Amino acid sequence: AQSVTQLDSHVSVSEGTPVLLRCNYSSSYSPSLFWYVQHPNKGLQLLLKYTSAATLVKGINGFEAEFKKSETSFHLTKPSAHMSDAAEYFCVVTLGSYNTDKLIFGTGTRLQVFP
Amino acid sequence: DTGVSQNPRHKITKRGQNVTFRCDPISEHNRLYWYRQTLGQGPEFLTYFQNEAQLEKSRLLSDRFSAERPKGSFSTLEIQRTEQGDSAMYLCASSHGLTNTGELFFGEGSRLTVL
Repeated sequence: AQSVTQLDSHVSVSEGTPVLLRCNYSSSYSPSLFWYVQHPNKGLQLLLKYTSAATLVKGINGFEAEFKKSETSFHLTKPSAHMSDAAEYFCVVTLGSYNTDKLIFGTGTRLQVFP
Repeated sequence: DTGVSQNPRHKITKRGQNVTFRCDPISEHNRLYWYRQTLGQGPEFLTYFQNEAQLEKSRLLSDRFSAERPKGSFSTLEIQRTEQGDSAMYLCASSHGLTNTGELFFGEGSRLTVL
């Protein structure tokens, strides 16, 4: 079965410092992996996705993630945090590269950014 | 606004009452999904439609839940005889199934509180 584990429920950083949000996955197949962001009172928005092409994936707002099969990880990073990055981040896996029918979400990581 | 629209945004009801939520997807999207999100958890898949056909239902969707998409456009999710455990955010998403980009577009959700 497919699943994702987000290792931190809360992460706090100062503005201008790097961000690291950790995600490990479990998959019987070659997974498709995503990061979604949820700002307060906003709909979930896709940050980036990995679908078996390049292992380093760049997304919106300066975020990127690296797929590491040996470590079964897909950590999200950003070199310099901005106040507007404060939100809930979800690591997501699907059944395959073209099966978008069912997204399996992690429990989320709440990112706080301090001035 | 041409995004996914959900109504009502908030619903407070007494246990045992019926409630109905509506979702209007992005107009050219033929796939529509319902997810449920409880406090501190990631969204969980409930069901999805391709056009008017309901293709899969999660075991989370008990007999008290019914979803329809009669003309392949908007969808409704009805919960009969609500229970306190039904309190959650109900999320709707849509995608253009033919392009298979892996991106779902989410609405802002309908929050249900059962007293």
